[in-house]
Amino acid sequence: GAVVSQHPSWVICKSGTSVKIECRSLDFQATTMFWYRQFPKQSLMLMATSNEGSKATYEQGVEKDKFLINHASLTLSTLTVTSAHPEDSSFYICSARPPTSGPSEQYFGPGTRLTVT
Amino acid sequence: LAKTTQPISMDSYEGQEVNITCSHNNIATNDYITWYQQFPSQGPRFIIQGYKTKVTNEVASLFIPADRKSSTLSLPRVSLSDTAVYYCLVGPPNTGFQKLVFGTGTRLLVSP
Repeated sequence: GAVVSQHPSWVICKSGTSVKIECRSLDFQATTMFWYRQFPKQSLMLMATSNEGSKATYEQGVEKDKFLINHASLTLSTLTVTSAHPEDSSFYICSARPPTSGPSEQYFGPGTRLTVT
Repeated sequence: LAKTTQPISMDSYEGQEVNITCSHNNIATNDYITWYQQFPSQGPRFIIQGYKTKVTNEVASLFIPADRKSSTLSLPRVSLSDTAVYYCLVGPPNTGFQKLVFGTGTRLLVSP
């Protein structure tokens, strides 16, 4: 099946610094990728839709200036958490849909655990 | 997107069949029903998808009654490794790179 990777798998940063998380589709091209956030014992919450070559679409309540998304190529989307604070500590997951997959079938990355101290 | 309702948690034992039901009373005519599985600290994994009647693959079966207002994910002979959260999603085909909206999911615990 299709593979989506994320890097890093976990990261610890100090409050006030910025962190970049990469999401790659390894064996297919993805013009659209999605970024989710998941707090412990909670469901996934969609943050934004990343569009190759254009601006990302953010869900209501998600600060676009804090969570910068760049989708510069057909296989790479990045999420940068700017001026991170402890409340940004969470599990960040990306997903993408191969063109040949079934309706609503998406492939998810393994996730990135962010801890802000 | 149709709202879904699932049990918050379920318990089972190894070797048993587990059936997780999802209610989606407001499902639209062109909506599909999709189930994902998520292990702790991992991204969700697609399990099965269907539109009506029954779908079966090597992992699970999906039963959808005629009115499509609910669906049941059936896991045959579960093992400890099936302990995970199972999400039911309902939405139109992903022709336009449709975003997925996850509900609360069902936390399945399989014991020896």
